[in-house]
Amino acid sequence: AQTVTQSQPEMSVQEAETVTLSCTYDTSESDYYLFWYKQPPSRQMILVIRQEAYKQQNATENRFSVNFQKAAKSFSLKISDSQLGDAAMYFCAFMNGETSGSRLTFGEGTQLTVNP
Amino acid sequence: AAGVIQSPRHLIKEKRETATLKCYPIPRHDTVYWYQQGPGQDPQFLISFYEKMQSDKGSIPDRFSAQQFSDYHSELNMSSLELGDSALYFCASSLTYNEQFFGPGTRLTVL
Repeated sequence: AQTVTQSQPEMSVQEAETVTLSCTYDTSESDYYLFWYKQPPSRQMILVIRQEAYKQQNATENRFSVNFQKAAKSFSLKISDSQLGDAAMYFCAFMNGETSGSRLTFGEGTQLTVNP
Repeated sequence: AAGVIQSPRHLIKEKRETATLKCYPIPRHDTVYWYQQGPGQDPQFLISFYEKMQSDKGSIPDRFSAQQFSDYHSELNMSSLELGDSALYFCASSLTYNEQFFGPGTRLTVL
């Protein structure tokens, strides 16, 4: 079974600054995907970024980028130029890539506060 | 762009009653997933369907059942409701091996 761990229950950042959220995972699978989802106070789950395990290049989506260290099983999210709208709960998630319809396994989440 | 539709958005039930949650996936998505999120918790996987067949099963109580219909919409049926079933229930959909897109959720309150 896969496990996902987010060791930072809470983080805060000043507006326009950069923050990094940590995530580690454990799996014996070789084919998998990793994701970061954002859950604002509305409780909507919003996909932020996706990384395929077979890709060495780190994924980037505008101000969001990841540092994927496969050997260390680490998958951190960097948010640059933080904005007030980035304040939310952030969940790291793992998905097995070998079976269609595979579940997402989530970490416990990191609550991000953005200070003006 | 079309998103995942869930109905109802809010539902209040008494203990021991039955509830049915509905999910309409994004058009052309072939896989539907159900998750349960309790207060202050991360979403927990319940069950998924690929091309109308159950593809993965998580910690779904025996009191719950689900299915995916020929038009790809899915329903989660919950019987003998307990106080602990109060939660936010998400449906998500995906195109095979791609990222899952979540609906807005159904907030179930059991009194």
